[in-house]
Amino acid sequence: KAGVTQTPRYLIKTRGQQVTLSCSPISGHRSVSWYQQTPGQGLQFLFEYFSETQRNKGNFPGRFSGRQFSNSRSEMNVSTLELGDSALYLCASATGVNQPQHFGDGTRLSIL
Amino acid sequence: AQKVTQAQTEISVVEKEDVTLDCVYETRDTTYYLFWYKQPPSGELVFLIRRNSFDEQNEISGRYSWNFQKSTSSFNFTITASQVVDSAVYFCALSEEIQGAQKLVFGQGTRLTINP
Repeated sequence: KAGVTQTPRYLIKTRGQQVTLSCSPISGHRSVSWYQQTPGQGLQFLFEYFSETQRNKGNFPGRFSGRQFSNSRSEMNVSTLELGDSALYLCASATGVNQPQHFGDGTRLSIL
Repeated sequence: AQKVTQAQTEISVVEKEDVTLDCVYETRDTTYYLFWYKQPPSGELVFLIRRNSFDEQNEISGRYSWNFQKSTSSFNFTITASQVVDSAVYFCALSEEIQGAQKLVFGQGTRLTINP
C-alpha cells in the first residue's frame, strides 16, 4: 500500500511569491491534515480536511489556505511568501478522528 | 488548551544502553489519545503507537515499551538495548478533537543519538 506522497520535495521561492504544495493520501484515507515544522516553533497544525471540507484550522494567517479534492488529494497554498514561511511542510492522512495520522516525507520550502 | 511537554531536548547514549524519553501532557478532556512518532533524518514522521485515555496498560513492542500513567499525566517511552538505527527525533503528541475534527498537538521533540 503506497504511503502519503508529497510533491515537490524541495522548493525555493522569493519573498512575495506564492506556492502550491500537493499531497496524495493513503488510499482509503479521507482525512488530510497539514503541519508546519520549524526549528523555533516545532510542529504546528495548519488545517484538516475531510470529504472536501475544512473541519479545523490552526492559528495561521489567511495567506495559508488549502483545499481537498473528491479523490481526497489535497493542496496547500501560501501567498505573499515571507522569510518566516521557510519550513518543512508535512501532510498526514488518516481514516478518521483519533486514528493514527500517517505522514509524508514533507516539502521543504526555502524563502530567499 | 492542550499541551505536551518533552523536557529532554537531547539525549545521547552508547549503543545497547536503555533510554527513556519523557512526555507530560495537559488536557481538560476526559477522553483523549496519545501518540509517539519517530522522525529520522529523512524528515518523515513515523507512527509508533497510539494510546487512549481509558487504557492504562503498558505496552511492549520488541525493544520498545510505553508507560502510560494517567495520575501523573505522563506517557513515557523506553527503548531497551538501543541501536544506532534508533537515532532520530522522537515526538509525543496529544489528539485534540474539536467538533468531529482532529488535530495533533506535538511536544518539542527529543533528539536521541545512539553512539556506537
